Amino acid sequence: GEDVEQSLFLSVREGDSSVINCTYTDSSSTYLYWYKQEPGAGLQLLTYIFSNMDMKQDQRLTVLLNKKDKHLSLRIADTQTGDSAIYFCAESPISTGGFKTIFGAGTRLFVKA
Amino acid sequence: DVKVTQSSRYLVKRTGEKVFLECVQDMDHENMFWYRQDPGLGLRLIYFSYDVKMKEKGDIPEGYSVSREKKERFSLILESASTNQTSMYLCASRSSGGADTQYFGPGTRLTVL
Repeated sequence: GEDVEQSLFLSVREGDSSVINCTYTDSSSTYLYWYKQEPGAGLQLLTYIFSNMDMKQDQRLTVLLNKKDKHLSLRIADTQTGDSAIYFCAESPISTGGFKTIFGAGTRLFVKA
Repeated sequence: DVKVTQSSRYLVKRTGEKVFLECVQDMDHENMFWYRQDPGLGLRLIYFSYDVKMKEKGDIPEGYSVSREKKERFSLILESASTNQTSMYLCASRSSGGADTQYFGPGTRLTVL
């Protein structure tokens, strides 16, 4: 079945780069997503990548997609304390009719000042 | 600006009570979703709706029902609340087509005593 896995915790120092990794099982997804959840809030789309792309860059964010290994990563350059949040990797497999988005358990990013 | 609102941020109910969680979106989206979020488990889909009066079971529908009488409103109903339904409930909406981005409400933290 569909599954998205990611590590639960990551701790970095302010100013360093953060890399959050994710693996997924269904290769039929057209898009793969990164969502961010700040404390007490719902999820907010951070960025997404089309499945025929290898990389997408958006200011401090870089998404890398390795379709062969079904591996997605999110790199945050110059990490700030405001980046402390839970980051969810997600995919919408075509095999589910495109209605279902499968989310990972979320990686809690701690940024130390 | 896109907006998904949920009727309550925090709710405390007793075992056996009927609970209504309301979600409203102002984006004219066809698709709406209810998830529950539990630590270490990520988001699990309870129900979704792809049109007015249409509903589909998600991965964990047991103990829940939904109602979608109007396009902008999607309600989650706990017919008889139980302590294992204590959780964070997130509503989301999504348009059809494009990158299938989901827009989330702020969540309702439900405690069942």
